[in-house]
Amino acid sequence: QVQLVQSGAEVEKPGASVKVSCKASGYTLTTYYMHWVRQAPGQGLEWMGIINTSGGATSYAQKFQGRVTMSRDTSTSTVYMELSSLRSEDTAVYYCARGGKIPTWGYFFDSWGLGTLVTVSS
Amino acid sequence: EIVLTQSPGTLSLSPGERATLSCRASQSVSSNSLAWYQHKPGQAPSLLIYGASSRATGIPDRFSGSGSGTDFTLTISRLEPEDFAMYYCQQYGSSPRYTFGQGTKLEIK
Repeated sequence: QVQLVQSGAEVEKPGASVKVSCKASGYTLTTYYMHWVRQAPGQGLEWMGIINTSGGATSYAQKFQGRVTMSRDTSTSTVYMELSSLRSEDTAVYYCARGGKIPTWGYFFDSWGLGTLVTVSS
Repeated sequence: EIVLTQSPGTLSLSPGERATLSCRASQSVSSNSLAWYQHKPGQAPSLLIYGASSRATGIPDRFSGSGSGTDFTLTISRLEPEDFAMYYCQQYGSSPRYTFGQGTKLEIK
């Protein structure tokens, strides 16, 4: 079955960067898009961006443009999300979620990771 | 960007009752590309409904989705104790911009 296993919780200082990983199993990584979604404390779900796991192309929500980088390592079936210039408002749980089969761009998210808590605090 | 507004913010009901959750879009959602997710604390969100009305694999038939255009509804016909959770709608028709509603908390009365 499809599993998305995310890296463990992180604590970072303001201004630093964090890199969260998401290892896929149960399917071939490069056949599906992967998304990143976050949830700040007491808030709803917020879409951050998408990566084409085959070619590596990305598209980010405007809010995160210039601060987020999504990448993948096909040899380990792992997708990464790096967020830079962290501020306290970036404290959140970050989820990876599987999207549509490439090249179906608009698709719902059928499997999710358990999430990675990132805490930004001085 | 399509904005999704969910109502009510909190819904207090008892097991066995019927729940009706609403999701309204600021503009028409193309091809009824609207999904519903259930989210429990400490767990991953899980897909309930896609295409506005199709149940995801393994979802009980007490969950149903309806609507089109700008107005969508998630109905839970008879609430079970495990159904009390947060529910989010999401549009995926105006990709690559995917947006979620702010959520409805379904709590035990």
